[in-house]
Amino acid sequence: KQEVTQIPAALSVPEGENLVLNCSFTDSAIYNLQWFRQDPGKGLTSLLLIQSSQREQTSGRLNASLDKSSGRSTLYIAASQPGDSATYLCAVTLQGGSEKLVFGKGMKLTVNP
Amino acid sequence: NAGVMQNPRHLVRRRGQEARLRCSPMKGHSHVYWYRQLPEEGLKFMVYLQKENIIDESGMPKERFSAEFPKEGPSILRIQQVVRGDSAAYFCASSRNGQIAEQYFGPGTRLTVT
Repeated sequence: KQEVTQIPAALSVPEGENLVLNCSFTDSAIYNLQWFRQDPGKGLTSLLLIQSSQREQTSGRLNASLDKSSGRSTLYIAASQPGDSATYLCAVTLQGGSEKLVFGKGMKLTVNP
Repeated sequence: NAGVMQNPRHLVRRRGQEARLRCSPMKGHSHVYWYRQLPEEGLKFMVYLQKENIIDESGMPKERFSAEFPKEGPSILRIQQVVRGDSAAYFCASSRNGQIAEQYFGPGTRLTVT
């Protein structure tokens, strides 16, 4: 059974820091991994999608890497801003027929001005 | 290009009533997924549908819950005889062509059972 873990569950940092958010998964048989952002009381916004054949994806100040063999992904946020405060979720799509996403519980990020 | 739309955004039901949640996928998307987010828990998959077909319902509770995605109109998640434990945020996502495609999420329906 695939399990996705995000540690720590919460992080509070001052503005301007470069951040690394971690995600690990137990089964490397994945199609892709997706990072999302969720603001309080809101839906999910997709940030980056990495296919299993890719090693990283970049969008603006965000960079996500994937090491499928070790079951790890990291989301790098450069020069953090208060507007980056949110819960960040990673999720994997399993191989083997099912198209469902398996989510971690998320990491709540607070960037203090 | 409108995103995934869900309505209502907030729904209050008394115990024993029925709840109907609607989801309109993004234009051009034929794959719909429903997820549930319980308080203090992560999102859990419920059901995956394509037009007129349920593909994977392994995350659906065995009783009281059903889902459909008709040829015309939105996908519907139906919860009969709601109980307090059904209170949660229900999210719908859509994708263009399945496993390799990005899933886009709607704003969610927050169900409160009183």
